[in-house]
Amino acid sequence: NAGVTQTPKFRILKIGQSMTLQCTQDMNHNYMYWYRQDPGMGLKLIYYSVGAGITDKGEVPNGYNVSRSTTEDFPLRLELAAPSQTSVYFCASSPGQGMTDTQYFGPGTRLTVL
Amino acid sequence: DAKTTQPTSMDCAEGRAANLPCNHSTISGNEYVYWYRQIHSQGPQYIIHGLKNNETNEMASLIITEDRKSSTLILPHATLRDTAVYYCIVRFSGYSTLTFGKGTMLLVSP
Repeated sequence: NAGVTQTPKFRILKIGQSMTLQCTQDMNHNYMYWYRQDPGMGLKLIYYSVGAGITDKGEVPNGYNVSRSTTEDFPLRLELAAPSQTSVYFCASSPGQGMTDTQYFGPGTRLTVL
Repeated sequence: DAKTTQPTSMDCAEGRAANLPCNHSTISGNEYVYWYRQIHSQGPQYIIHGLKNNETNEMASLIITEDRKSSTLILPHATLRDTAVYYCIVRFSGYSTLTFGKGTMLLVSP
């Protein structure tokens, strides 16, 4: 049981390039989330999904796209990378059941846009 | 979700109890108090949560005041590995998303 895995661990992009951050969970969780964390700050929610085929915007969705075709995978797409997207990106998942749902986080992807 | 206020940083000696406070004076009756922590360069880790009653698990204890306007996370015997940023989060239910503030940086020293 690997939990939540993210690839790649590190990436450097040039301005205007695109890339997909991968996230996979093996806990059969319904809910999945993408957060970004800038230096010295707390996490901010980008997008989340409550099940396959269903996604919704979080606090900072501009410049990103997501899809959820399977329960296990929730990729995050950056279409035109900008320096403002330099950050650490965390994926998380949760069962989505009951009143006290707990989120489990992946190890993060460190992205630098130059 | 209600906002929370936490001290920016705290120090604790190894082996002593670490008591991390959190103010959430605007909390509503159906909002839970959650605690997560983030060890440097890692993803956040769930610690504990509670609604009204005090809670304890293998990691920590959570003390919530009777008026629910504040709470304290207690690490009974802090170790160097407990050095991390601790986030106090208030949320309506398990279905709502988490809103992270800046948290409290806890430094445990030998």
